[in-house]
Amino acid sequence: QKEVEQDPGPLSVPEGAIVSLNCTYSNSAFQYFMWYRQYSRKGPELLMYTYSSGNKEDGRFTAQVDKSSKYISLFIRDSQPSDSATYLCAPRGNNQGGKLIFGQGTELSVKP
Amino acid sequence: DVKVTQSSRYLVKRTGEKVFLECVQDMDHENMFWYRQDPGLGLRLIYFSYDVKMKEKGDIPEGYSVSREKKERFSLILESASTNQTSMYLCASSYQGRAVEGYTFGSGTRLTVV
Repeated sequence: QKEVEQDPGPLSVPEGAIVSLNCTYSNSAFQYFMWYRQYSRKGPELLMYTYSSGNKEDGRFTAQVDKSSKYISLFIRDSQPSDSATYLCAPRGNNQGGKLIFGQGTELSVKP
Repeated sequence: DVKVTQSSRYLVKRTGEKVFLECVQDMDHENMFWYRQDPGLGLRLIYFSYDVKMKEKGDIPEGYSVSREKKERFSLILESASTNQTSMYLCASSYQGRAVEGYTFGSGTRLTVV
């Protein structure tokens, strides 16, 4: 079983839609749950993160972690064409310098 | 504002050539990483380093080596390039012990081996 599983998509939605991106993971030691956004021909950039279980909101983006089911979600409200990118989930442990384990990434396209 | 710089955006090399990919960061990060990114496979860790002159194998180190002679520079070496090493190569860096800051990535080097 892979440590992190993510549906690669591609996912295509109309502008204004609510988008749900999801990952599952297997390692219960993961404490930090990060989401990266990668535009075409660019490196990934940290979008947001949560620590342990719960929700975190940042503008139109909400990250949600359910540690009991080992499920990570990123919701995008009122999606915009500028949100078109690949989104990667990346959990990690609490140890110093702990490596990130990346999901495959979900390619999202928001159509005007 | 560029923090992690990869020396080339696009590179075409011949099979059997020795290839050097350079990465420099200006954030005084202790940790540096090399990934390759392929469609359907996501990001796979090749090598990483937690300190100068120190290196650790990642998940797919075969056919690669690395060098870290200075804190800011981490080089990936393809000893004898092969066509299955055609890929996007991404360098990243991070602070030790500051988990919430995640990684800072470079823009990537798209390598084609012919």
